[in-house]
Amino acid sequence: DADVTQTPRNRITKTGKRIMLECSQTKGHDRMYWYRQDPGLGLRLIYYSFDVKDINKGEISDGYSVSRQAQAKFSLSLESAIPNQTALYFCATRGTSSGELFFGEGSRLTVL
Amino acid sequence: GQQLNQSPQSMFIQEGEDVSMNCTSSSIFNTWLWYKQDPGEGPVLLIALYKAGELTSNGRLTAQFGITRKDSFLNISASIPSDVGIYFCAGLNTGTASKLTFGTGTRLQVTL
Repeated sequence: DADVTQTPRNRITKTGKRIMLECSQTKGHDRMYWYRQDPGLGLRLIYYSFDVKDINKGEISDGYSVSRQAQAKFSLSLESAIPNQTALYFCATRGTSSGELFFGEGSRLTVL
Repeated sequence: GQQLNQSPQSMFIQEGEDVSMNCTSSSIFNTWLWYKQDPGEGPVLLIALYKAGELTSNGRLTAQFGITRKDSFLNISASIPSDVGIYFCAGLNTGTASKLTFGTGTRLQVTL
């Protein structure tokens, strides 16, 4: 089983719908991240959390919200999806002693 | 937000050839990381560099942390078909608010 699990892996939705992407991890890491990947733009940080009570905006947080339900769970929500939020979304975790990020397999979201 | 400039954007090479790619930044980092993303997967760490001037190898991969701390290089020797994917550099300044900044990616295609 993957250490960082994302659900759903693929989702097609319509403009205006609310969408939640979920992430769970078994690595015991405190730090969790949500990234968005678009062709030619690399990975851009949406939100990150260093523990259950800590939530921070990344560089592209507008239109998104997050919830850190537990150390192992970090969900990303789009309250009212729009077509330019069509992208591949990655959850990642990191321990406190290393710079290495461990990524999930990604959630591909299409907003029509 | 800050992004790292990664070049080339894409490469088509023949099996057996060597590959070089680089990453530059306008600001310094104290850690450089190189990731590879296979199709349909999340990025996976290849090499981590922690010291200016450091040269580190991982099999056929060699990466260097630039002396100015504003750049890094990745070389792949004797490429094989499974080297296909997107390679990302990432810079990090470790600390309590540390987060990675990713490059825009280099897409590598290997022909037989």
